[in-house]
Amino acid sequence: RKEVEQDPGPFNVPEGATVAFNCTYSNSASQSFFWYRQDCRKEPKLLMSVYSSGNEDGRFTAQLNRASQYISLLIRDSKLSDSATYLCVGGGEYGNKLVFGAGTILRVKS
Amino acid sequence: EPEVTQTPSHQVTQMGQEVILRCVPISNHLYFYWYRQILGQKVEFLVSFYNNEISEKSEIFDDQFSVERPDGSNFTLKIRSTKLEDSAMYFCASSEVDSDRSEKLFFGSGTQLSVL
Repeated sequence: RKEVEQDPGPFNVPEGATVAFNCTYSNSASQSFFWYRQDCRKEPKLLMSVYSSGNEDGRFTAQLNRASQYISLLIRDSKLSDSATYLCVGGGEYGNKLVFGAGTILRVKS
Repeated sequence: EPEVTQTPSHQVTQMGQEVILRCVPISNHLYFYWYRQILGQKVEFLVSFYNNEISEKSEIFDDQFSVERPDGSNFTLKIRSTKLEDSAMYFCASSEVDSDRSEKLFFGSGTQLSVL
């Protein structure tokens, strides 16, 4: 079983739409979770950390469900510039290694 | 804004040659990492480094790979005898542990390694 699993997409949405991505992780001992964004052939860039209580940063909301071992990212009012691959990242087996999911592709169209 | 810098941005080498990829992590960070991403695939962990020693490594990081922090600023990845399958984008990253123990990684822009 993959340590971090995501729907690869692509998700094709119109501008202004709300879109949600889910991600599941296998290691119940994982403590740290993040969403990163990666543009084509660029480095991953931290979008936001994910906390158990849920957290929001502008149009982005992240949730963590430890009981079901999944993480979600909600993007409201999608912009063309949101088009990218979104990487779900979780703490690995030993805690200090972060494991990346394969990414979910988002395409926002006008 | 401080950033992780990597050189070179592109490296082309012949199979069997040694390559050294260089990174300058963010100056006050304590943890350093190398990840790689083969074209079209996911970002894969190679190695983490803390307090001048390897703290964790993956199965990919075999005897052909080594890391070094030769001075107070540089962090290098050496591949002794490159193979075709080593062709990938190699990302260096650094982090400092937050008060809540979460580690946010900051990545360099990567070195695209092409082994011919």
